[in-house]
Amino acid sequence: EDQVTQSPEALRLQEGESSSLNCSYTVSGLRGLFWYRQDPGKGPEFLFTLYSAGEEKEKERLKATLTKKESFLHITAPKPEDSATYLCAATQGGSEKLVFGKGTKLTVNP
Amino acid sequence: KAGVTQTPRYLIKTRGQQVTLSCSPISGHRSVSWYQQTPGQGLQFLFEYFSETQRNKGNFPGRFSGRQFSNSRSEMNVSTLELGDSALYLCASSLSTGGNEKLFFGSGTQLSVL
Repeated sequence: EDQVTQSPEALRLQEGESSSLNCSYTVSGLRGLFWYRQDPGKGPEFLFTLYSAGEEKEKERLKATLTKKESFLHITAPKPEDSATYLCAATQGGSEKLVFGKGTKLTVNP
Repeated sequence: KAGVTQTPRYLIKTRGQQVTLSCSPISGHRSVSWYQQTPGQGLQFLFEYFSETQRNKGNFPGRFSGRQFSNSRSEMNVSTLELGDSALYLCASSLSTGGNEKLFFGSGTQLSVL
């Protein structure tokens, strides 16, 4: 069964303290690996799509990377406004369904 | 450009009732997907519609159904509500279908079943 597992479930950082969120997937024939951000009371907001191992994408303080078994979302010098739940999702080859992980709730304290 | 609009924002129903949720996608988007989000299970795929046709369906019972209209607006219906149906129901739209499209989500409908 296709699975996407995110760790840790929750992460507390001090402002400026860099860290990484992990997303492990057991999707055969990965077509795409997605990262979304979700704020309380809102729907997820798209961040990145990665398609092949070795690919990297950056946006402001966020950088997403992809290997054959996992993806990392690196957060450099985070600010309180980066506090949110970060969701990872994957699409399998031959399927059009997105499988989501349960998310990592990030809290950045000033 | 207006985002994805879901109505109503909150709903309270009792067991056994049925409910209809509405979703208006971003103008020009032809694909609409529905997801159920709960603290325990996270986001789970319900179904996807593209050009009024159901393209994919998740592992939910037949009590969950949906449809899409010619203007791409979509509705989902849950019949014979159960306590476990309490969740945030999210609608997402995209330009096309195929599983690799960037999804734009609405803010969801929070359904409480008493």
